[in-house]
Amino acid sequence: DAGITQSPRHKVTETGTPVTLRCHQTENHRYMYWYRQDPGHGLRLIHYSYGVKDTDKGEVSDGYSVSRSKTEDFLLTLESATSSQTSVYFCAISESDRSNYEQYFGPGTRLTVT
Amino acid sequence: AQSVTQPDIHITVSEGASLELRCNYSYGATPYLFWYVQSPGQGLQLLLKYFSGDTLVQGIKGFEAEFKRSQSSFNLRKPSVHWSDAAEYFCAVGAGDYKLSFGAGTTVTVRA
Repeated sequence: DAGITQSPRHKVTETGTPVTLRCHQTENHRYMYWYRQDPGHGLRLIHYSYGVKDTDKGEVSDGYSVSRSKTEDFLLTLESATSSQTSVYFCAISESDRSNYEQYFGPGTRLTVT
Repeated sequence: AQSVTQPDIHITVSEGASLELRCNYSYGATPYLFWYVQSPGQGLQLLLKYFSGDTLVQGIKGFEAEFKRSQSSFNLRKPSVHWSDAAEYFCAVGAGDYKLSFGAGTTVTVRA
């Protein structure tokens, strides 16, 4: 299994509070991704990173920000959590070689916003 | 932009029976295609992938998938399912920009 950890694994927070989720990898992969998973929607890309300090938006980026100051860590921040951000969040990593395109996923973080 | 459709939200199959999950994609060029499986409470695990070459690809756990360009499809099959195959299955397409688009998923229930 790819060395990907996510913390926390579960979190309950109140509307309006800031929340930061962490993804940590030990594979030295260049690309890192944050997805959210909701019933009926599959996985939707929030933000991704293609290198240290290099990030870009995905299809559902509103209300989220990210940072990557080290290769191994990719942080997802909800500046002011809303109930619509209750979801399961997955981090994924990928190598930069086009012959090895697949993404490897972390175990997920279940976030509940009350 | 690429997109993926999984027409079946839920499939129930008897243990030992064959399984086929449908996946249709929309993309102008030859896509990168993937099938992932997610067991309850777990992350996603890659089952198989197609980049180019032989259109029938073999994966882990006895799964295979066939790329049909004329039908824009990449259906997943298994000849004989086991109870442990009960899970949610996601088809995904990549367009060469290191991002994947996922289908909504198909939940497979295996009955004894």
